[in-house]
Amino acid sequence: DVKVTQSSRYLVKRTGEKVFLECVQDMDHENMFWYRQDPGLGLRLIYFSYDVKMKEKGDIPEGYSVSREKKERFSLILESASTNQTSMYLCASSWTAYSNQPQHFGDGTRLSIL
Amino acid sequence: DAKTTQPTSMDCAEGRAANLPCNHSTISGNEYVYWYRQIHSQGPQYIIHGLKNNETNEMASLIITEDRKSSTLILPHATLRDTAVYYCIVRGNDYKLSFGAGTTVTVRA
Repeated sequence: DVKVTQSSRYLVKRTGEKVFLECVQDMDHENMFWYRQDPGLGLRLIYFSYDVKMKEKGDIPEGYSVSREKKERFSLILESASTNQTSMYLCASSWTAYSNQPQHFGDGTRLSIL
Repeated sequence: DAKTTQPTSMDCAEGRAANLPCNHSTISGNEYVYWYRQIHSQGPQYIIHGLKNNETNEMASLIITEDRKSSTLILPHATLRDTAVYYCIVRGNDYKLSFGAGTTVTVRA
């Protein structure tokens, strides 16, 4: 079974802090994704990475950056956290982005910015 | 990607089969049908996907009509742990996933 592990289930931070969300997958997948999920807005793609050190912006990259130094690990960074970044953050991975292979998700990190 | 239409909610008795419908009348030839579910406060879980043939795995069966304009996800023996929001997605070459409102399935003892 595919295992996508997110470092924290729940996280509380203060505005202005730099926040790191970590994600690890154990299936040697090429592609990794960061989404956020908000009530009424559904799932929105923040960034995705198709290889080590490679990344592409999704629909809502503002205020976020990412890092992929190793194939199995993809980090999402909130440079200066703001209250409108309070959300459920979901990491996913897949064999290839442009194919029929499904994306597999972690359990999510529910982030609250106070 | 084509849009999908699902019922807002449905109930199912524990131990019985749950049949979840999905309409995707604008699906194009290279688009697959995917099903995910999301249990409260957890990440989405991949269930199954298919192009035009019926598919079965350890979790569920996917029945796609011959014209591909609709499909049905079948959970053969629903348990209380199958209570979740179920999302039907149609996706082609776009790597982005987008979930609609889905169907809230409640399995009752």
